[in-house]
Amino acid sequence: AQSVTQPDIHITVSEGASLELRCNYSYGATPYLFWYVQSPGQGLQLLLKYFSGDTLVQGIKGFEAEFKRSQSSFNLRKPSVHWSDAAEYFCAVGGGDTDKLIFGTGTRLQVFP
Amino acid sequence: NAGVTQTPKFQVLKTGQSMTLQCAQDMNHEYMSWYRQDPGMGLRLIHYSVGAGITDQGEVPNGYNVSRSTTEDFPLRLLSAAPSQTSVYFCASSYGHRTGELFFGEGSRLTVL
Repeated sequence: AQSVTQPDIHITVSEGASLELRCNYSYGATPYLFWYVQSPGQGLQLLLKYFSGDTLVQGIKGFEAEFKRSQSSFNLRKPSVHWSDAAEYFCAVGGGDTDKLIFGTGTRLQVFP
Repeated sequence: NAGVTQTPKFQVLKTGQSMTLQCAQDMNHEYMSWYRQDPGMGLRLIHYSVGAGITDQGEVPNGYNVSRSTTEDFPLRLLSAAPSQTSVYFCASSYGHRTGELFFGEGSRLTVL
């Protein structure tokens, strides 16, 4: 069965600082990987996704993520965080032989001015 | 364009009562799913459907029933509500259930007393 681990429950950064949110997955075949963002009181919005090809994927709002098969990781990065990036971020894993999309427990990002 | 519409947004039930959370999408998506979100637990998949007449269980299906008689609608039924079902419920749909972006509703907050 597939699973996702987001080891950081809460991260605090200063505005303008760089950001990396960690995601580790478990899946027996080639994974399909996603990052979603949830603003308070809202549903989730897709930031980026990886299926195959280039292991560095670009998303919306200046985010990027890198797939590392050897480390079973798909970490989310942003070079300079804005106050509006404060939200909860979820990593999710699916795959070519499953109809289930499984989410991690999320990382809450707080941004200080 | 309405997207994914969930009703009601808020509901309070007593233990043992039944209710149905409604979900409708107007994007002609084949794939629909229900998640529950609890603090520290992330989003957990309850049930999903890859098309009309086809449903399957997710990670936490016990206590919930679903059906998919049309492409547009995917209701979630609680037959006998329990306090453990107090949660925020999200419906989501996708045009490509393994590779497509999930579009989320705004959520339904359910409290079971």
